[in-house]
Amino acid sequence: SQQGEEDPQALSIQEGENATMNCSYKTSINNLQWYRQNSGRGLVHLILIRSNEREKHSGRLRVTLDTSKKSSSLLITASRAADTASYFCATDAGIQGAQKLVFGQGTRLTINP
Amino acid sequence: GAVVSQHPSWVICKSGTSVKIECRSLDFQATTMFWYRQFPKQSLMLMATSNEGSKATYEQGVEKDKFLINHASLTLSTLTVTSAHPEDSSFYICSARTSGYSYEQYFGPGTRLTVT
Repeated sequence: SQQGEEDPQALSIQEGENATMNCSYKTSINNLQWYRQNSGRGLVHLILIRSNEREKHSGRLRVTLDTSKKSSSLLITASRAADTASYFCATDAGIQGAQKLVFGQGTRLTINP
Repeated sequence: GAVVSQHPSWVICKSGTSVKIECRSLDFQATTMFWYRQFPKQSLMLMATSNEGSKATYEQGVEKDKFLINHASLTLSTLTVTSAHPEDSSFYICSARTSGYSYEQYFGPGTRLTVT
């Protein structure tokens, strides 16, 4: 069953604007990861944030984690047309070593040139 | 970074036939591999977890006799869809992780299966 819900389901913005996607989950987690998927392709790992971390940066990406609210956000700054893709959060809530990832429903991001 | 390949990238088969999909870790040894399926415009659903040399663990609702998983070596896992039906048409994605305390999974490019 799906653990996470993502919001919004679809987002369309102009190139250069910032894009924010949110993810909520239900159970305690070890870590939360964000992935990108271009249409019909596999997943690209973007960033991992551990349960004891609150914020993490990677290039134009900024991820926050609020374990009290069981939520995370992914911010893409200065968006580019190439950022057009679906973005998924995935939580790892299993026993350490089991590492079963449960994916959210995803946000389809469209960057308009 | 670690690379995972899948073969074939797409396959079309007739109802009733079986299809085998391979997942390989190219530059690392994968003690655990995962198989997911994804319907159009939907998220990934975990089907099963396979550990090298042991039987796969299937998620609830996934028929183990229909989706046969073999993780025969540290670099290869296979998923065989037996007696395929049109409703099995989907995008199948594998992922792999190394041994030890590593959080990151490496995903393959996916295999698109169409059953006619």
